[in-house]
Amino acid sequence: EVQLVESGGGLVQPGGSLRLSCAASGFIVSNNYMNWVRQAPGKGLEWVSVIYSGGSTYYADSVKGRFTISRDNSKNTVYLQMSGLRADDTALYYCARDPALRNEHAFDVWGQGTLVTVSP
Amino acid sequence: EIVLTQSPGTLSLSPGERVTLSCRASQSVSINYLAWYQQKPGQAPRLLIYGTSSRATGIPDRFSGSGSGTDFTLTISRLEPEDFAVYYCQQYGSSPRFTFGPGTKVDIK
Repeated sequence: EVQLVESGGGLVQPGGSLRLSCAASGFIVSNNYMNWVRQAPGKGLEWVSVIYSGGSTYYADSVKGRFTISRDNSKNTVYLQMSGLRADDTALYYCARDPALRNEHAFDVWGQGTLVTVSP
Repeated sequence: EIVLTQSPGTLSLSPGERVTLSCRASQSVSINYLAWYQQKPGQAPRLLIYGTSSRATGIPDRFSGSGSGTDFTLTISRLEPEDFAVYYCQQYGSSPRFTFGPGTKVDIK
């Protein structure tokens, strides 16, 4: 079964750090574009970051310089290292797969999310 | 940066009605790069449409997508009770790589 399971969320103080994990099963993460998407409480979806199959990485302006996406092919897992956390980073963080087939891009598999709360 | 605008913000409809949701981009978007998602409370988003008009696996044919350039549409031909949800459009571009629209909520009248 194709599945994504996020973990690592929690309560952190402003300025603190956290590392989120996204463990994949049923497919190989390094063959796909793997993304992080977040959703603040009661708000819409915000794309955060992507790591391409070739290893290139990209970020939303709101997190650039503070967040780092990476993957461990041996563990078939994608990570989001977050530092300099702010109150407006509080959100449910989803991991999502873009198979990037036939030059089309869409997120066909999503995890259930992990909640990050930034508060004193 | 491409900005997506969705209208209306909220729609109040009855089961059985036809609904058309709009997604407008601030710049032209390739038809390959426009997708639609459905999200219900407490659930992760679900891919409905990719490449503007292709239904994702398992999506019923009452959902259809169309459009080109800067104007895209998601149509639900006949609303079922399980279709009441929030719908987001999404585009893939240069910077930022992906953008979501603000969403349209379809609720029960």
